[in-house]
Amino acid sequence: QKEVEQDPGPLSVPEGAIVSLNCTYSNSAFQYFMWYRQYSRKGPELLMYTYSSGNKEDGRFTAQVDKSSKYISLFIRDSQPSDSATYLCAVSSGNTPLVFGKGTRLSVIA
Amino acid sequence: NAGVMQNPRHLVRRRGQEARLRCSPMKGHSHVYWYRQLPEEGLKFMVYLQKENIIDESGMPKERFSAEFPKEGPSILRIQQVVRGDSAAYFCASSPGQGFYEQYFGPGTRLTVT
Repeated sequence: QKEVEQDPGPLSVPEGAIVSLNCTYSNSAFQYFMWYRQYSRKGPELLMYTYSSGNKEDGRFTAQVDKSSKYISLFIRDSQPSDSATYLCAVSSGNTPLVFGKGTRLSVIA
Repeated sequence: NAGVMQNPRHLVRRRGQEARLRCSPMKGHSHVYWYRQLPEEGLKFMVYLQKENIIDESGMPKERFSAEFPKEGPSILRIQQVVRGDSAAYFCASSPGQGFYEQYFGPGTRLTVT
């Protein structure tokens, strides 16, 4: 079983839609959960990170962690064409290297 | 505040040559990480360094790859005797403190081995 599983997509939505991106992980020792956005041929950009369970909101982005299900989500409200990118989840125990999902490719159509 | 800087952005090497990739962390960051991203693959951790110390090299291939972060100057990822399979995007990240979360990535160096 892979440490982090992420649906590669591609996911195509109309502008203004709510987008839900998800990852599952296998190791209950993971405590930190990150979401990165990567535009084509660019470096990953940290969107947000959360510690343990719960929700965290930043503008149009909301990250959710459900440790009981080992499931993490990123919601994007009022999606824009500029949100079109690959979204990577990453997990860590805090003192072990980040483990990344393979990324979900998102296209927001105007 | 300048972000993480990497150079060169693109590097072409023939098989058997050496590749040197440089990374300057964000101002105030003293923790540097190197990752490799192969086409259609996720980012894979290679090595974690602080100034003059390698903290975690669990993801580094045992041969041909080395990394350093000297007291002065950028961090260097060195690949000796490159092979075609080394062709990938190499990313550097830095963080403000200990811990593997809150890492900020550079734009990457795309290495092509011909």
